[in-house]
Amino acid sequence: EDQVTQSPEALRLQEGESSSLNCSYTVSGLRGLFWYRQDPGKGPEFLFTLYSAGEEKEKERLKATLTKKESFLHITAPKPEDSATYLCAVRVNSGSARQLTFGSGTQLTVLP
Amino acid sequence: GAVVSQHPSWVICKSGTSVKIECRSLDFQATTMFWYRQFPKQSLMLMATSNEGSKATYEQGVEKDKFLINHASLTLSTLTVTSAHPEDSSFYICSARDTMGGTYEQYFGPGTRLTVT
Repeated sequence: EDQVTQSPEALRLQEGESSSLNCSYTVSGLRGLFWYRQDPGKGPEFLFTLYSAGEEKEKERLKATLTKKESFLHITAPKPEDSATYLCAVRVNSGSARQLTFGSGTQLTVLP
Repeated sequence: GAVVSQHPSWVICKSGTSVKIECRSLDFQATTMFWYRQFPKQSLMLMATSNEGSKATYEQGVEKDKFLINHASLTLSTLTVTSAHPEDSSFYICSARDTMGGTYEQYFGPGTRLTVT
């Protein structure tokens, strides 16, 4: 069974305090790993897609990396507006639908 | 680009009534759309995959007669919660896959908060 585990469940940082969020996965036939940001009461906002081990992508203060077993979302010098829940999802080649399986998310709070 | 809208953003209905939620891809075509539900402080759980012009595929444990899905065009999918009960109260989110653009990225709508009283 495909599994996606995110840690920690919650993370509180001071503004400017860099850290990393983890997403470990056990799937067969990985077809992509996705990072989303979700604000309360809103739908997920797409951040990154990673397809192969060693791949890295950056966007402003965020950097996502991928290995064969896990992905990290690094947050450099975070600001209060980075506070949100960060979701990791994997796409597996299930039939033709290529569905996403989500982790439970990491709730990030950045204090001013 | 890649905007997905949902309507309504929130709805309150009485137990036993039906509620329809619309999901539209505004600037791209989507042969496949997905419907998720999310309980407070939990992640997204896939309910069904909606395919334009054909029947939806439901995940195990999701009642297809209760959650009716219609994907009538390349930009519109609807989810109807029939005979709603308080336990159906949840946050429903749709996503659309940009198949024409070739990226196969999934873009999410803003969600619909359903409260059944």
